[in-house]
Amino acid sequence: DAGVIQSPRHEVTEMGQEVTLRCKPISGHDYLFWYRQTMMRGLELLIYFNNNVPIDDSGMPEDRFSAKMPNASFSTLKIQPSEPRDSAVYFCASSGTYGYTFGSGTRLTVV
Amino acid sequence: AQKITQTQPGMFVQEKEAVTLDCTYDTSDPSYGLFWYKQPSSGEMIFLIYQGSYDQQNATEGRYSLNFQKARKSANLVISASQLGDSAMYFCAMREGDTGRRALTFGSGTRLQVQP
Repeated sequence: DAGVIQSPRHEVTEMGQEVTLRCKPISGHDYLFWYRQTMMRGLELLIYFNNNVPIDDSGMPEDRFSAKMPNASFSTLKIQPSEPRDSAVYFCASSGTYGYTFGSGTRLTVV
Repeated sequence: AQKITQTQPGMFVQEKEAVTLDCTYDTSDPSYGLFWYKQPSSGEMIFLIYQGSYDQQNATEGRYSLNFQKARKSANLVISASQLGDSAMYFCAMREGDTGRRALTFGSGTRLQVQP
């Protein structure tokens, strides 16, 4: 099992540009979560899906953020337009019957 | 109110000694799960140990054990025989509900440094 796969590992972009983060969950896991980690706010939930349907997006900071899960094996988190305060590590995690497995994260830097 | 509280921003421990990392939680749900994760400097989140609210015994996984005191709402992580590789951030997290299907809420973390 390859685990939860996130891409890219690092992303540096200019303010105002669109950024797309990608996640492939573990096969068979029916829940997928997007978290953001910053020094100031720690690990915070952005959104999660069950069977590809968004369940709770109350953590999405604002309309610039959107997430999709078109199928059971792929999800995206998009920021448009990006701002310097979006700089953070973004984690994707998936969950099945037991436990939660995290991807390696995407370190986003917006300059 | 904070759901998960970790009051120790940083801890030092000598190699080969035991260390306890504190975690208290707040929930009115009778069914919940408590998790500990390790985040080394490389950044990945590594699952360490899990305790369910109905589990009668404290969870153990190798050198990790969870000191679960339900009445006090605490779930402290005990690392025995610390190793240099244990130096990392440690996060306590909680899942509320009995299906294991809801998001985890994390504490602010404790940075552990193991000294030779």
